[in-house]
Amino acid sequence: EADIYQTPRYLVIGTGKKITLECSQTMGHDKMYWYQQDPGMELHLIHYSYGVNSTEKGDLSSESTVSRIRTEHFPLTLESARPSHTSQYLCASRGTGGFTEAFFGQGTRLTVV
Amino acid sequence: DQQVKQNSPSLSVQEGRISILNCDYTNSMFDYFLWYKKYPAEGPTFLISISSIKDKNEDGRFTVFLNKSAKHLSLHIVPSQPGDSAVYFCAARLFTGNQFYFGTGTSLTVIP
Repeated sequence: EADIYQTPRYLVIGTGKKITLECSQTMGHDKMYWYQQDPGMELHLIHYSYGVNSTEKGDLSSESTVSRIRTEHFPLTLESARPSHTSQYLCASRGTGGFTEAFFGQGTRLTVV
Repeated sequence: DQQVKQNSPSLSVQEGRISILNCDYTNSMFDYFLWYKKYPAEGPTFLISISSIKDKNEDGRFTVFLNKSAKHLSLHIVPSQPGDSAVYFCAARLFTGNQFYFGTGTSLTVIP
C-alpha cells in the first residue's frame, strides 16, 4: 500500500477563488509529480520536483504553482480558479533509481463553477 | 505529439478468458515501461513493469510483453476477473529521465 495522500478528495468552488491542493507522502521519496487527467485522456504532467526547493513545470501549460519546502509535502496552488481548471489532479512520488515506479495518491476531483 | 499511444479506448472480455491490452510508443530511447490500473475517481495503481533489457515479465495473472523492434508492448491478464474491470494506462520513461509519459488508457470490462 502506497503512503501518499491527497486532500481534499472532492472540491467544488466558485470562479476566482484561490485553492491549494495538498499532497503528502511518508516514503521519503525525492521525486514528486502533479498530473492532470480528464476522462479518455492521458495523464498530463503539470509540475514535478527533484527534491526540496527544486520544482519544474511539466509539458502541460498550467496556471498553477507548486512549492517543495519539505520532502514529504508538495502542495499545488491555483491563484484564481476558472471553469477550465475543472479536472482530476493526481499527485505521485517516486524513489531513487532507474527502474522505479511512481506511486499515486487517490486524486482530487476539482470542479470550478 | 503523443509518445505513448493506446489505440483501443475500450475492450470487453468474458470472465475466465484472456484480456490483451496493447500500447505503442514512438521514442526508441524509452527503456522502462509500466502498466497502471485506475478506477473512476481514484488514483492509478501500479500493476507491473518491464525494462528494455527484457521481453517478458510475469506477476501472477499479469504478464507484460515488450517488442522493442516494433515499439510495442502488451499486457495479458489471464484469467480475467470482474474485479479487473477498470481503465488501464500504459506508461514509459527514460532510465535517466524523471518524466513518465502516459497513454490515453483502455477501459476494460470483464463480463461475468
